[in-house]
Amino acid sequence: AQRVTQPEKLLSVFKGAPVELKCNYSYSGSPELFWYVQYSRQRLQLLLRHISRESIKGFTADLNKGETSFHLKKPFAQEEDSAMYYCALSHPGNTGNQFYFGTGTSLTVIP
Amino acid sequence: EADIYQTPRYLVIGTGKKITLECSQTMGHDKMYWYQQDPGMELHLIHYSYGVNSTEKGDLSSESTVSRIRTEHFPLTLESARPSHTSQYLCASSGTSGGRETQYFGPGTRLLVL
Repeated sequence: AQRVTQPEKLLSVFKGAPVELKCNYSYSGSPELFWYVQYSRQRLQLLLRHISRESIKGFTADLNKGETSFHLKKPFAQEEDSAMYYCALSHPGNTGNQFYFGTGTSLTVIP
Repeated sequence: EADIYQTPRYLVIGTGKKITLECSQTMGHDKMYWYQQDPGMELHLIHYSYGVNSTEKGDLSSESTVSRIRTEHFPLTLESARPSHTSQYLCASSGTSGGRETQYFGPGTRLLVL
């Protein structure tokens, strides 16, 4: 069963425009949600996680348990935000936390 | 410096060859993972390990095998490489900080089988 869904494979926005990358999840318990980012020719790295309630590089993400969503938002997109973004979910398993990744959204910020 | 290392970074090899992709971490993590990722596509978990002498297959069926003899080392082996194995292979480890578990990724190995 798909636990993390990212409906947009590709997303293009103009520089300075707001951007929202969608993520929905399916899990009945209390999962932890993450956003990972992969810039061109760089390794996959953690961007932020819901438990921290932090803003990283201007990005924020709020966990909405009612809608089972964890959308990533930034009010003013920058060219350096162009990257591949993966939403991920973690929940406890028999031998430790299980991690599940979405299919990713490729964000292009147009100058 | 605590990090995850993968070697080689790039590998071009002929069909039928045996290859081993190396992954080492100095993060002090017990849990390690191998993912397969085609460019711009989703990550598929192919193997994971929760500690020494523990290995499990992931969600995606893979002809590769892994071993975990040392905590810091989690090599992946293909006994007979085929063109269908061409992909990027990502190694990851996870650890707990402040009661929360997070995965950290290596730089990846890009494999091309001719």
